[in-house]
Amino acid sequence: SQQGEEDPQALSIQEGENATMNCSYKTSINNLQWYRQNSGRGLVHLILIRSNEREKHSGRLRVTLDTSKKSSSLLITASRAADTASYFCATEAQAGTALIFGKGTTLSVSS
Amino acid sequence: DTAVSQTPKYLVTQMGNDKSIKCEQNLGHDTMYWYKQDSKKFLKIMFSYNNKELIINETVPNRFSPKSPDKAHLNLHINSLELGDSAVYFCASSQGALQTQYFGPGTRLTVL
Repeated sequence: SQQGEEDPQALSIQEGENATMNCSYKTSINNLQWYRQNSGRGLVHLILIRSNEREKHSGRLRVTLDTSKKSSSLLITASRAADTASYFCATEAQAGTALIFGKGTTLSVSS
Repeated sequence: DTAVSQTPKYLVTQMGNDKSIKCEQNLGHDTMYWYKQDSKKFLKIMFSYNNKELIINETVPNRFSPKSPDKAHLNLHINSLELGDSAVYFCASSQGALQTQYFGPGTRLTVL
């Protein structure tokens, strides 16, 4: 089944810096979603971007989608220690009945 | 108000035992899921229910049996627990299969 793959697996930055995470997938999609997981917690939805959209913003988050390259990126600007978490992209299974999550990027933001 | 709740939060048990995890959502969603997250944080879907009907049943041992008594509940029963079942199990719900999913806090299962 199709799976999003995040890159890098781990990212360490200082507070105030920007963090960029990438996600690649294999087949055509209707939408792509990004989720955050704080340690010991469930996943929290961040942004859903549809296949006909190229960019979407939510606060300090910016998501881009390039369907020709089958890739998406999540940019967190002016990062804070509270942004420390794992970030997952989710794409559709081939049957179009469920989301498949990638393995995530672990972001550490130090103050 | 808790949108998706799971009980228990922690579950420690011996190999061979049978255990259940309960999930409830108060969002009025029509689709509910069970995921397993391993020690490397890989999140894998196990089951998906839409309006109490099983939609997805990934390659999961038949020791795992989901039960949906109504649209708001999806429970997971596990028979003959094995060491490899140790993981965090997440319940989630959404309105439609490919829409935003809302996750519960997870149940950390440890099999000794």
